[in-house]
Amino acid sequence: SQTIHQWPATLVQPVGSPLSLECTVEGTSNPNLYWYRQAAGRGLQLLFYSVGIGQISSEVPQNLSASRPQDRQFILSSKKLLLSDSGFYLCAWSVPGQYYEQYFGPGTRLTVT
Amino acid sequence: AQSVTQPDIHITVSEGASLELRCNYSYGATPYLFWYVQSPGQGLQLLLKYFSGDTLVQGIKGFEAEFKRSQSSFNLRKPSVHWSDAAEYFCAVVGTGGFKTIFGAGTRLFVKA
Repeated sequence: SQTIHQWPATLVQPVGSPLSLECTVEGTSNPNLYWYRQAAGRGLQLLFYSVGIGQISSEVPQNLSASRPQDRQFILSSKKLLLSDSGFYLCAWSVPGQYYEQYFGPGTRLTVT
Repeated sequence: AQSVTQPDIHITVSEGASLELRCNYSYGATPYLFWYVQSPGQGLQLLLKYFSGDTLVQGIKGFEAEFKRSQSSFNLRKPSVHWSDAAEYFCAVVGTGGFKTIFGAGTRLFVKA
């Protein structure tokens, strides 16, 4: 069966520090991968998605970037965090060629101080 | 543009009472519709989905939802709520042939004894 992992589970970082969040999927090949951000009291905002290694699409211009160095690994990064980057970050995957049904990881709670 | 509206930010129901969470969408054709549930600090879990066919769909944990094209609605229901149902619920839409999932802002469900 497929599983999706995210780490760290929680992170507290000062403003201006770098960020690296990691997401990995097991039990499937060439998944579509997604990064979402969830701010308090709001829905999910799609940040990035990827349909293959090195293929990243950005949905919202911001202080963040994403990379996919391996088939089942998706990384969310920032060079300098802002207070507004605080939130709950969720990684998700879907079956190749099928975008509709997504499976979510447990999330990372990021607090920028 | 596609959009999803969940009119109720939070709802409180008594354990054993019935539940209905509202969802309205905006899309030119029949979209693919989803309900997800999120327990505090966790990722999202798919409750049910509607693609086509029977407008009343059954999901996990005793939930069901009804698609009403004339009202552009996809309301979630459960006949008898359990304390463990306390969570946040998200309605989501994907346009047929599209890629991006649009999530509503969520409805937080509180269950009182």
